[in-house]
Amino acid sequence: DAGVIQSPRHEVTEMGQEVTLRCKPISGHNSLFWYRQTMMRGLELLIYFNNNVPIDDSGMPEDRFSAKMPNASFSTLKIQPSEPRDSAVYFCASSPGTATNEKLFFGSGTQLSVL
Amino acid sequence: AQSVTQLDSQVPVFEEAPVELRCNYSSSVSVYLFWYVQYPNQGLQLLLKYLSGSTLVKGINGFEAEFNKSQTSFHLRKPSVHISDTAEYFCAVTKFGNEKLTFGTGTRLTIIP
Repeated sequence: DAGVIQSPRHEVTEMGQEVTLRCKPISGHNSLFWYRQTMMRGLELLIYFNNNVPIDDSGMPEDRFSAKMPNASFSTLKIQPSEPRDSAVYFCASSPGTATNEKLFFGSGTQLSVL
Repeated sequence: AQSVTQLDSQVPVFEEAPVELRCNYSSSVSVYLFWYVQYPNQGLQLLLKYLSGSTLVKGINGFEAEFNKSQTSFHLRKPSVHISDTAEYFCAVTKFGNEKLTFGTGTRLTIIP
């Protein structure tokens, strides 16, 4: 299995532009998570899906952020408009079960820089 | 809500020396505890987890951790570290039925040759 695949690996954009991050979870996994990692705040859970349904988006910073999972093999995290404080590494992770007492499989992340 | 504290942001250790990375948690209910490792420019990988049973948990790469309920701790140990152990280590906690895994702020382990 190729693991969790995220694209792009690096994204540099200007303030005000729309940014879309993509994630392909491991086939057969039921849960998908979006995390953001910064030096100041560490790893923060933004949103997670179970069987393609958003379960908890309380970690999404504000309305500029949105996430979708149209099917079991694809998810997107969109920021519109982007701001410099959104600069971070964004990780997607998937899990085989419905509870995170199982193992999370992380992608390699997307390094986002907003100028 | 549960939370986890990693007191040491950076730990330098000489090669082949033992290491302990500290993790304390707070929760009003029973929890599940995890240690994840992040190598440079990579995503996190699971090192080990405690769900129930024996309080001493063995993981990959020679690491182990001990769950101590009275001290609400889950410290990570390795008897002899290698250069390849240089990475950032994250303690994480969740509770049964809860999808939200809460991570600590991480401890950067640096191995000195």
